[in-house]
Amino acid sequence: DVKVTQSSRYLVKRTGEKVFLECVQDMDHENMFWYRQDPGLGLRLIYFSYDVKMKEKGDIPEGYSVSREKKERFSLILESASTNQTSMYLCASSRQGPSGANVLTFGAGSRLTVL
Amino acid sequence: GNSVTQMEGPVTLSEEAFLTINCTYTATGYPSLFWYVQYPGEGLQLLLKATKADDKGSNKGFEATYRKETTSFHLEKGSVQVSDSAVYFCALSDIGSARQLTFGSGTQLTVLP
Repeated sequence: DVKVTQSSRYLVKRTGEKVFLECVQDMDHENMFWYRQDPGLGLRLIYFSYDVKMKEKGDIPEGYSVSREKKERFSLILESASTNQTSMYLCASSRQGPSGANVLTFGAGSRLTVL
Repeated sequence: GNSVTQMEGPVTLSEEAFLTINCTYTATGYPSLFWYVQYPGEGLQLLLKATKADDKGSNKGFEATYRKETTSFHLEKGSVQVSDSAVYFCALSDIGSARQLTFGSGTQLTVLP
């Protein structure tokens, strides 16, 4: 069964802490994405990557950075967590190419609370 | 820019009722359209999709038809079950931005026995 695995389902951090959210996919997908999900706002794209060491800003990149050192792993980094980053974070991946590029496979999500 | 507007929830129905969740979109070009579903405690998963005008996507008894003239992609099911309780997201992908999806705000559906 193909999977996108997010390492932490629930995290509680303090304001100012550095936070790492890890995501690993086993489908050899080229594209990987980080979204945040908030009630009433749907999913908003933070960053995405279409290749190793490549990254592109999404709609709300402020306060976040990403790392993609290996094809299967895409990390989201909060350099200094703030309370307004309390949210559900969803990682997704997809295959490159017109037929598959837009069908995303999602992880189960990481719920981050910043106190 | 691209946008997706979904009917606001929450929606509560009795088992075997008919379901419609409205979705309209704004996009340049000819987008592909999707419905994703998120069951409690899980990530999103693709429910159905349509890639061109008049296409009908279907899966698990759900259907949606790509209507270019009304820029709509409404989700329907003739008889809902308790197990259909979930959050439903409409999304589009513009061919000019193939790596990204634009999502609607989601509609929470609760089906009561």
